[in-house]
Amino acid sequence: EPEVTQTPSHQVTQMGQEVILRCVPISNHLYFYWYRQILGQKVEFLVSFYNNEISEKSEIFDDQFSVERPDGSNFTLKIRSTKLEDSAMYFCASSEQGGTSNQPQHFGDGTRLSIL
Amino acid sequence: AQSVTQPDIHITVSEGASLELRCNYSYGATPYLFWYVQSPGQGLQLLLKYFSGDTLVQGIKGFEAEFKRSQSSFNLRKPSVHWSDAAEYFCAVGGYNTDKLIFGTGTRLQVFP
Repeated sequence: EPEVTQTPSHQVTQMGQEVILRCVPISNHLYFYWYRQILGQKVEFLVSFYNNEISEKSEIFDDQFSVERPDGSNFTLKIRSTKLEDSAMYFCASSEQGGTSNQPQHFGDGTRLSIL
Repeated sequence: AQSVTQPDIHITVSEGASLELRCNYSYGATPYLFWYVQSPGQGLQLLLKYFSGDTLVQGIKGFEAEFKRSQSSFNLRKPSVHWSDAAEYFCAVGGYNTDKLIFGTGTRLQVFP
């Protein structure tokens, strides 16, 4: 069964540094998402992306965050100047169609980001 | 406000026993409801979903869930739990014209032999 793959599985970064989290969505999917889960808290929606544009974003997704589809297979989340509170598990997801109806979102295994 | 509540943080059952995990939602529009499971070190796997129609939905691994609009609930059930079902279970809600899934805090299931 096709999967969403995320790399690396664990990223350790110094506070203030830039970090890029990478995802390879399922190949025929057109809609891409990032969520995060701070330890002990809920999984939270960050952003959705379709046709090379942000489709929807949450209030968490401020100017320090950006997303990009640099080529035909990868989908990245960049955090420009990391803060301690950015430490979390970041999940990438993809779906055939947008919205939360009809076609479910398929999630990767996550990247654990640790900010020191 | 839109939210999902999973009242049970941690549940322990014996292998072979029945299971019910509770989920209540608050959503301003027609809800689309999901259950995901997360095994240790792994991502979120979709167990089942409800969009419309029959309020009892079947999923993978022998799980089912029932949508009760009057109670704003979408409880997950399994008649006989296996040791491999030990994991964290997340209920989520979405809606028409939004990409955002709203998740509950999760219920950790422990299974004793």
